[in-house]
Amino acid sequence: GAGVSQTPSNKVTEKGKYVELRCDPISGHTALYWYRQSLGQGPEFLIYFQGTGAADDSGLPNDRFFAVRPEGSVSTLKIQRTERGDSAVYLCASSLSNTGEQYFGPGTRLTVT
Amino acid sequence: GENVEQHPSTLSVQEGDSAVIKCTYSDSASNYFPWYKQELGKGPQLIIDIRSNVGEKKDQRIAVTLNKTAKHFSLHITETQPEDSAVYFCAQQKQGAQKLVFGQGTRLTINP
Repeated sequence: GAGVSQTPSNKVTEKGKYVELRCDPISGHTALYWYRQSLGQGPEFLIYFQGTGAADDSGLPNDRFFAVRPEGSVSTLKIQRTERGDSAVYLCASSLSNTGEQYFGPGTRLTVT
Repeated sequence: GENVEQHPSTLSVQEGDSAVIKCTYSDSASNYFPWYKQELGKGPQLIIDIRSNVGEKKDQRIAVTLNKTAKHFSLHITETQPEDSAVYFCAQQKQGAQKLVFGQGTRLTINP
């Protein structure tokens, strides 16, 4: 079956611009997660959705980062006033329940110039 | 804390030999320990996981062992093949939480 998909695969933007990253989870998965992976590091948790609500956003680095999942399926990670330090691969994962295995998408590589 | 220490950072083995990667954790409330394989330009792929109520789990050439007393868990790959070359990440999840906390990764190279 179809796995987690993320678009775009690559995004280059200028410092100060606004970006949106999209995640399509595996069909039927109620839990959705966003992680950020810097070069040479393991993924770091950003935010977790159970259904439509953000159940844990403790990993968001600051208020420039925001995520939504309005219908409990597709999620969008939004970054305002991007900074060069935001450059990383943004990974999305989904799971059948909040205690199930997490399956990752291919990621979006964000480069802020 | 929630840190996971992973060793070694790089590992090179001859094809056909075994590879072992070890992770240690500090939070005794951790109860789920997955391992992910990440190839260049791709997302992490779940390869095996173990929960705290068992000590070992095996799937063909891959096995994971868990020592709750010592707070460490290990990935064992036997009969390694060139396609096993990748970066491997361990992770832990605390009971009641949903986020995964990852180790720093191990770059495994299988030499033909």
